[in-house]
Amino acid sequence: AQRVTQPEKLLSVFKGAPVELKCNYSYSGSPELFWYVQYSRQRLQLLLRHISRESIKGFTADLNKGETSFHLKKPFAQEEDSAMYYCALSSASGGSYIPTFGRGTSLIVHP
Amino acid sequence: NAGVTQTPKFRVLKTGQSMTLLCAQDMNHEYMYWYRQDPGMGLRLIHYSVGEGTTAKGEVPDGYNVSRLKKQNFLLGLESAAPSQTSVYFCASSPYRQEYPEAFFGQGTRLTVV
Repeated sequence: AQRVTQPEKLLSVFKGAPVELKCNYSYSGSPELFWYVQYSRQRLQLLLRHISRESIKGFTADLNKGETSFHLKKPFAQEEDSAMYYCALSSASGGSYIPTFGRGTSLIVHP
Repeated sequence: NAGVTQTPKFRVLKTGQSMTLLCAQDMNHEYMYWYRQDPGMGLRLIHYSVGEGTTAKGEVPDGYNVSRLKKQNFLLGLESAAPSQTSVYFCASSPYRQEYPEAFFGQGTRLTVV
């Protein structure tokens, strides 16, 4: 069974500080991993995915298969980064791709 | 494009009442999902569908039923609402691909059962 663990419910930092949101997963095959973000009163939207190796809004995430982790990082947090962040894993189940989400981490960036 | 649209946005039900949540997508996606979002629990999959006429149970299916009669619509039904079903419900859809199966979400339905 696949599982996504986000150990921190809440992460509180000051503007300009580095941010790291942790995500660990368990899956026996080759997963596809994503970070989704939900800003206040908005729908969830894709932030980035590991296969693209891209940086979005200053955020990056590296897949570490040895540690089964996909932590989200940003060197200098901004107030507009305050949101709920979900790590997600998508895997083939009988030929179907079903996303599994972690419990989410609420990031608060103080001025 | 409207993307994924959920109806209604808010609803208050009395215990024992029934209701149907409608999800519509205009992206011709094969996959559709219903999640519930609860504080501290994240997003939990209720039911999903991999195509028109097919549905399957997710992690927390009890108390819910679904139907996918048309490719663009995915309905979530509560036959006899309970206070434990108070939650925010999200519908999502994704295309069938071998790679990059990003999920597109609706705006959510906030349901309160009293």
